[in-house]
Amino acid sequence: EDQVTQSPEALRLQEGESSSLNCSYTVSGLRGLFWYRQDPGKGPEFLFTLYSAGEEKEKERLKATLTKKESFLHITAPKPEDSATYLCAVQATSGNTPLVFGKGTRLSVIA
Amino acid sequence: DGGITQSPKYLFRKEGQNVTLSCEQNLNHDAMYWYRQDPGQGLRLIYYSQIVNDFQKGDIAEGYSVSREKKESFPLTVTSAQKNPTAFYLCASSLGTSGSSSYNEQFFGPGTRLTVL
Repeated sequence: EDQVTQSPEALRLQEGESSSLNCSYTVSGLRGLFWYRQDPGKGPEFLFTLYSAGEEKEKERLKATLTKKESFLHITAPKPEDSATYLCAVQATSGNTPLVFGKGTRLSVIA
Repeated sequence: DGGITQSPKYLFRKEGQNVTLSCEQNLNHDAMYWYRQDPGQGLRLIYYSQIVNDFQKGDIAEGYSVSREKKESFPLTVTSAQKNPTAFYLCASSLGTSGSSSYNEQFFGPGTRLTVL
């Protein structure tokens, strides 16, 4: 069974304090790993897709990396507006399978 | 503007009542999805549809029903058989469910919050 585990569940940072969120996954074969940002009471917003180990993608203060077992979302010098829940999802190569989501990491950035 | 719309934003249901949540997309996507989100539970898949007039059960389909008569629309009915329907419901769409990963990137609507009175 495909599984996604995100850690930590919650993270509190001071503004400017860089850190990383972790997404560990178990999947028979990885077609893609997806990162989303979700603000309270809103739908998730797509951030990145990573396809293969060693791949990296960046967007403003966010950088996503991928290994064969996990992905990291690095946040450099965060600002209060980066506060949100970050969701990770994977899709297996076997069949026409939908995404499997983790429970998310709730990030709070304090000014 | 292309996107996904959900209505209503808030919905209240009485015990024993069926309610229908609307989801419309103008992205020309083939695949559409319904998720339920509870605090601390993440996103759980209810139903998905890869093409018009076809849909599959997700992990928590009991007490829900869907239809896919048009490519743009994928309404979800929460029936009286769903014993604990209070949750945040999210609709999403993607180009497809196979092929390259970019084909499977899901884009979400703003959600409907359902409360049972």
